[in-house]
Amino acid sequence: DAGVIQSPRHEVTEMGQEVTLRCKPISGHDYLFWYRQTMMRGLELLIYFNNNVPIDDSGMPEDRFSAKMPNASFSTLKIQPSEPRDSAVYFCASSFSAGSTYEQYFGPGTRLTVT
Amino acid sequence: GNSVTQMEGPVTLSEEAFLTINCTYTATGYPSLFWYVQYPGEGLQLLLKATKADDKGSNKGFEATYRKETTSFHLEKGSVQVSDSAVYFCAEGTYKYIFGTGTRLKVLA
Repeated sequence: DAGVIQSPRHEVTEMGQEVTLRCKPISGHDYLFWYRQTMMRGLELLIYFNNNVPIDDSGMPEDRFSAKMPNASFSTLKIQPSEPRDSAVYFCASSFSAGSTYEQYFGPGTRLTVT
Repeated sequence: GNSVTQMEGPVTLSEEAFLTINCTYTATGYPSLFWYVQYPGEGLQLLLKATKADDKGSNKGFEATYRKETTSFHLEKGSVQVSDSAVYFCAEGTYKYIFGTGTRLKVLA
């Protein structure tokens, strides 16, 4: 399996622009998670989906952030408008609920820089 | 809410030294416990796991034992290598994890 795929790997954008991050989970996995990692705040869970349905978005920092999962093989995290404080590495992870431990598999991350 | 506490880093060791990174959790019941490793510029990778009390997870020379009585899951390795330099995260949960803040390990040749 190719693992969790994220694109782009690096994104540099100017403040005020819209940013869209993409994730393809491992085939067959029914949970998908979006995390943000910064030096100051560590690893934060933003939102997670089960069977394409958002279950908990309490970690989304504000209305500028939105996430969708239109089908089992694709999810997006959108920031509109972007701000410099959104600069971070964003990770997508997926897991399979039928296993006993729900192991999460992480993608390589998208490094976002907002200038 | 539940939390996971890891020892503060960075931890700096010489090659072949013994490693311990402490981890404690607050969840009640019997959550699954995990150690993840993050190498520079990469995502988190599952290092080892344990699903019930007294289980020992092991991988690549690393070990951790699920201690229900002390709500702990300390990571150990008998002889670290330079290639073990990374950030290590402890986590607990089922479908949703609670992660610790991570402990940076630096191994010197």
